[in-house]
Amino acid sequence: DTAVSQTPKYLVTQMGNDKSIKCEQNLGHDTMYWYKQDSKKFLKIMFSYNNKELIINETVPNRFSPKSPDKAHLNLHINSLELGDSAVYFCASSQSIDRAKLFFGSGTQLSVL
Amino acid sequence: QKEVEQDPGPLSVPEGAIVSLNCTYSNSAFQYFMWYRQYSRKGPELLMYTYSSGNKEDGRFTAQVDKSSKYISLFIRDSQPSDSATYLCATHSGGSNYKLTFGKGTLLTVNP
Repeated sequence: DTAVSQTPKYLVTQMGNDKSIKCEQNLGHDTMYWYKQDSKKFLKIMFSYNNKELIINETVPNRFSPKSPDKAHLNLHINSLELGDSAVYFCASSQSIDRAKLFFGSGTQLSVL
Repeated sequence: QKEVEQDPGPLSVPEGAIVSLNCTYSNSAFQYFMWYRQYSRKGPELLMYTYSSGNKEDGRFTAQVDKSSKYISLFIRDSQPSDSATYLCATHSGGSNYKLTFGKGTLLTVNP
């Protein structure tokens, strides 16, 4: 029973398209995150939601828009995809009282052609 | 200077070797120190978690934090081929800060 699941696992698309990545966690956590890992394995936070409230919004182009319909779900919508958006996107969750302990999904490999 | 510096390797060792992985950080406000392990094509998973300075041991793994020199280490004893992965150090300052700062990761290969 997967703790943090994200779909799709692979996403290949053309420049200019709009795409979404979905994430769900069944751990009962109250905080969820989107991280981006580039080709050099550098993992950088993009957004975080705590109880559906946006608490971290890093310097990310406004083509990226997260949405959290409830505590267990956090989606990422990307408009007008660019070549530089190609990366692996990881969803993660934690309890707010123990936020060092992140539980990651298995990632979405996004390739923009 | 990046907040967390980590030698990306790659590091290749024979099975049974003692492995030492290291990070340095610049922000003295960091209080919590983590090591995550990431297998190929998988998400990172928390391996070790320490608060402030000192050592923590868990089986073959020992995490060490020296806040005076802003140095974080992970030691792996009797390394196994199954330890082959990328190891990422991470820190955060606690309080209302939800943001973990990661190092770039060190790719470790343990050869049988």
